[in-house]
Amino acid sequence: AQSVAQPEDQVNVAEGNPLTVKCTYSVSGNPYLFWYVQYPNRGLQFLLKYITGDNLVKGSYGFEAEFNKSQTSFHLKKPSALVSDSALYFCAVRTADMGRRALTFGSGTRLQVQP
Amino acid sequence: NAGVTQTPKFQVLKTGQSMTLQCAQDMNHEYMSWYRQDPGMGLRLIHYSVGAGITDQGEVPNGYNVSRSTTEDFPLRLLSAAPSQTSVYFCASSYYRDGGEQYFGPGTRLTVT
Repeated sequence: AQSVAQPEDQVNVAEGNPLTVKCTYSVSGNPYLFWYVQYPNRGLQFLLKYITGDNLVKGSYGFEAEFNKSQTSFHLKKPSALVSDSALYFCAVRTADMGRRALTFGSGTRLQVQP
Repeated sequence: NAGVTQTPKFQVLKTGQSMTLQCAQDMNHEYMSWYRQDPGMGLRLIHYSVGAGITDQGEVPNGYNVSRSTTEDFPLRLLSAAPSQTSVYFCASSYYRDGGEQYFGPGTRLTVT
């Protein structure tokens, strides 16, 4: 079985400061890892993904994430937070197994950026 | 492209009623799926499809039925609504290639009284 843990329900950060949203995962074989963002009353929007290659992945809106295989982590980062980054963030994983495409999502982390 | 569309946006049902949530995509994606989102639980997979005529169960399939007669459409049927099915439902689609990210619809907020 595959699983995702987002250990923080909420992360508070001041505008202009760096932010980190944590994610750890468990999956059989090689993982495909994703981050999505959800704004109020909206669907999820794709931010970035790790499939293979460079462990540092850059995505939309200045976000990046670092894949760490030994720690089974895929933390989301941004060097300088904006108030408009305030939203609900989800980490998701699936196995690279061709036969199974289903994503498993974490429970989500609410990011609050204070002016 | 309209992307992934869902109807209705909101729905209130009485216990025991049935209804169909509609989902359509215009990106020619092979893979489509339905999730429900409940507070503190993230998104849980209900059913998914890897192509027309092929469907399979996800993590929480009980009480729901799906079919995929075309590439574009993937309706979700609630057979006999229960209060435990009160949730926000999202449809998503993606290409069936490795690493294809999913595109989500705007969601349907369902309340069962």
